[in-house]
Amino acid sequence: AQTVTQSQPEMSVQEAETVTLSCTYDTSESDYYLFWYKQPPSRQMILVIRQEAYKQQNATENRFSVNFQKAAKSFSLKISDSQLGDAAMYFCAYRNNAGKSTFGDGTTLTVKP
Amino acid sequence: DTAVSQTPKYLVTQMGNDKSIKCEQNLGHDTMYWYKQDSKKFLKIMFSYNNKELIINETVPNRFSPKSPDKAHLNLHINSLELGDSAVYFCASSPGTGPSYEQYFGPGTRLTVT
Repeated sequence: AQTVTQSQPEMSVQEAETVTLSCTYDTSESDYYLFWYKQPPSRQMILVIRQEAYKQQNATENRFSVNFQKAAKSFSLKISDSQLGDAAMYFCAYRNNAGKSTFGDGTTLTVKP
Repeated sequence: DTAVSQTPKYLVTQMGNDKSIKCEQNLGHDTMYWYKQDSKKFLKIMFSYNNKELIINETVPNRFSPKSPDKAHLNLHINSLELGDSAVYFCASSPGTGPSYEQYFGPGTRLTVT
């Protein structure tokens, strides 16, 4: 069974600074995708970024980028130039070939003005 | 033009009652899901349907019964509600079952059992 671990229950960052959220996972599968989702207080789940396991190049979406280390089974999210609207709970998720998603426990990000 | 909608958004009910949550997607997707997010924010998949067929059925009490009358709808019926069923239930859809497909989530239904 796959497991996803987010070791930081809470993180805080100063506005305009950079923060990195950690995620590790465990799997014996070779083909999978990894995702970061954002859940603001409105509770709507919003996809932030995704990474295919076969791609060595790290995914980037504007201010959001990942550091994907397949051998280490690590998938961290870097948020650059943090904004107040980035404050939310962030979930790391693993999705296997059967379409089953496993989520980490989440990291609550606070952005200080 | 809500992509994935759920009704109701809030549901308060007493122990022992039976209740249903409805989900509809207008994205033309083949696959739909139910997730449960508990009070500690743990998010866990419950069921998945592809073209009206059940393809994922996690360890969920049989008091929970999903029903997919067509590809655009996936309802969740819960019998004999218990206090531990209090949670936010999310419906989601994706174009298919492959791992690359983005999942689109509904706004969630907050169920409170008293």
